[in-house]
Amino acid sequence: KNEVEQSPQNLTAQEGEFITINCSYSVGISALHWLQQHPGGGIVSLFMLSSGKKKHGRLIATINIQEKHSSLHITASHPRDSAVYICAVRFQGAQKLVFGQGTRLTINP
Amino acid sequence: KAGVTQTPRYLIKTRGQQVTLSCSPISGHRSVSWYQQTPGQGLQFLFEYFSETQRNKGNFPGRFSGRQFSNSRSEMNVSTLELGDSALYLCASSLAWAGANVLTFGAGSRLTVL
Repeated sequence: KNEVEQSPQNLTAQEGEFITINCSYSVGISALHWLQQHPGGGIVSLFMLSSGKKKHGRLIATINIQEKHSSLHITASHPRDSAVYICAVRFQGAQKLVFGQGTRLTINP
Repeated sequence: KAGVTQTPRYLIKTRGQQVTLSCSPISGHRSVSWYQQTPGQGLQFLFEYFSETQRNKGNFPGRFSGRQFSNSRSEMNVSTLELGDSALYLCASSLAWAGANVLTFGAGSRLTVL
């Protein structure tokens, strides 16, 4: 069964801390997406990757194909980073996206 | 550059009615995909359209349907509404296949079924 698991489900941290959100999947994938959803519903695509590592500002996404695992890191976290972070994958041989349940991140000042 | 536009943003319907939601993609994007988000099930894929053809469909009943027009705008329709259809419906556009390309999401249409 094609499954996507995220951890932790909830994460609370202090401003400035280094944040890591994990995503594991069950079988081989073609692509993995990291999405950010702020209260109110709007979703922003942060990264799409199929190998290696990508960086954008304070955000870094890595993927380990052999271990079927991806991480999203936030350096020098800020209260504006508070949001739900969602991992979504396109499994090999499939076209549709399968989503993780999301990680609710709260950064306190 | 205009983003993805979804209309209406909010709507309230009663059981048994039908609803049509609209999604206008970013200019030049040919793929439009639709998603349902509920507190219990999270985000789920509904269907994807590319060049006016439905390319993929999620595990939803036939009451959920959609179409795409020649200008890439897409509509989805839900007939015979049920209470469980209350959700945030999101569309996203991309240059090509949704899973293999960066997605740009609309703000969503929040449907409440009474």
